[in-house]
Amino acid sequence: SAVISQKPSRDICQRGTSLTIQCQVDSQVTMMFWYRQQPGQSLTLIATANQGSEATYESGFVIDKFPISRPNLTFSTLTVSNMSPEDSSIYLCSGRQGQNTEAFFGQGTRLTVV
Amino acid sequence: KQEVTQIPAALSVPEGENLVLNCSFTDSAIYNLQWFRQDPGKGLTSLLLIQSSQREQTSGRLNASLDKSSGRSTLYIAASQPGDSATYLCAVTFMSSGSARQLTFGSGTQLTVLP
Repeated sequence: SAVISQKPSRDICQRGTSLTIQCQVDSQVTMMFWYRQQPGQSLTLIATANQGSEATYESGFVIDKFPISRPNLTFSTLTVSNMSPEDSSIYLCSGRQGQNTEAFFGQGTRLTVV
Repeated sequence: KQEVTQIPAALSVPEGENLVLNCSFTDSAIYNLQWFRQDPGKGLTSLLLIQSSQREQTSGRLNASLDKSSGRSTLYIAASQPGDSATYLCAVTFMSSGSARQLTFGSGTQLTVLP
């Protein structure tokens, strides 16, 4: 499967600031997703990143808080805006070519908001 | 609402033992099921993908089975090693997920293999 390079791998940020996470795939991929993993929890889907159009957000997540870009089929960014300590989580990007293919993940970004 | 459940939440075994991790899902209309491994603070490593038409998949010491009609999957790990210690996640692509085709995750089983 393809390889996703995600950065930064970790960051400590001040409340009220924003952080942009980048994911670069080594080949074109049809679908890209962003997940959040809160401490001790499983993964929750934030949104599907759509190439060339607005992302599709899951219930409880909004574009103003988590703006997403996907300018082409190999790159996507997630911004966590106006951060609070409750945003401290691991954020992961994922890709897959279709529903019958293997999903693969970046290394994750461990975010701590102080 | 589609849900994925994993039991047990945590498991500790001595090295060399064979073990089984369980995953259940609420809707049998699925495309596939995928098992992942996650080391502390890290991303996910894909272990096995089972399509809805398949009954099992094998990779090395790992064997995953799928019983779609009963909504269950198991991950069998043979001859466990301390390096197998990690959290194992089960994830399902439900047909009702629409065009997004995203994964729905279970809460994971934290495995510790004692030397």
